[in-house]
Amino acid sequence: ETGVTQTPRHLVMGMTNKKSLKCEQHLGHNAMYWYKQSAKKPLELMFVYSLEERVENNSVPSRFSPECPNSSHLFLHLHTLQPEDSALYLCASSQGGGLSGELFFGEGSRLTVL
Amino acid sequence: AQSVTQLDSQVPVFEEAPVELRCNYSSSVSVYLFWYVQYPNQGLQLLLKYLSGSTLVESINGFEAEFNKSQTSFHLRKPSVHISDTAEYFCAVTRYSGAGSYQLTFGKGTKLSVIP
Repeated sequence: ETGVTQTPRHLVMGMTNKKSLKCEQHLGHNAMYWYKQSAKKPLELMFVYSLEERVENNSVPSRFSPECPNSSHLFLHLHTLQPEDSALYLCASSQGGGLSGELFFGEGSRLTVL
Repeated sequence: AQSVTQLDSQVPVFEEAPVELRCNYSSSVSVYLFWYVQYPNQGLQLLLKYLSGSTLVESINGFEAEFNKSQTSFHLRKPSVHISDTAEYFCAVTRYSGAGSYQLTFGKGTKLSVIP
């Protein structure tokens, strides 16, 4: 059992739908991340929250909206997505700002946009 | 700016044969280097890391990587692979992103396929 849990594991949605991805970490970490993993591309960092405050937003389109209500939970709200947004979305957490480089990843949410 | 280059997208190798997965990085400052592994249908897991000290680092399952500053490389090696090593391997480098936070920049990954 992973210390980082993501739900749902699979999601199919139309371009006009609104859905959310959820991430929960049980490790007591103080930073959480959203990554996008697409075929044949490097992992793309989307958002970083440290101590529940967003510290980085890598020019992600506004149709992706993150929410971090507390240090254990992270959401990614999805609205009017495009087919090219289909990918595996990975949540991760770390302690101490990630200096050691050790991120703990969830198993991912596979998103398909029709 | 930092970047990571993994020269091989796919590496097939027979069981019990040696393997080397190549990684080169570019950075204008000192770096910390990492290898992550992603088994099928799973998230990424840290395999090994170089922060300082000995340039040769090892994992618990027989992989090792050597930090070579002059060649800006951090290649991953294993002398004898097993079927269970079939996975995708990602090289990564850290960068400081502000507010006491360090972020990882990943390479595109190398898929290792171990052939029985």
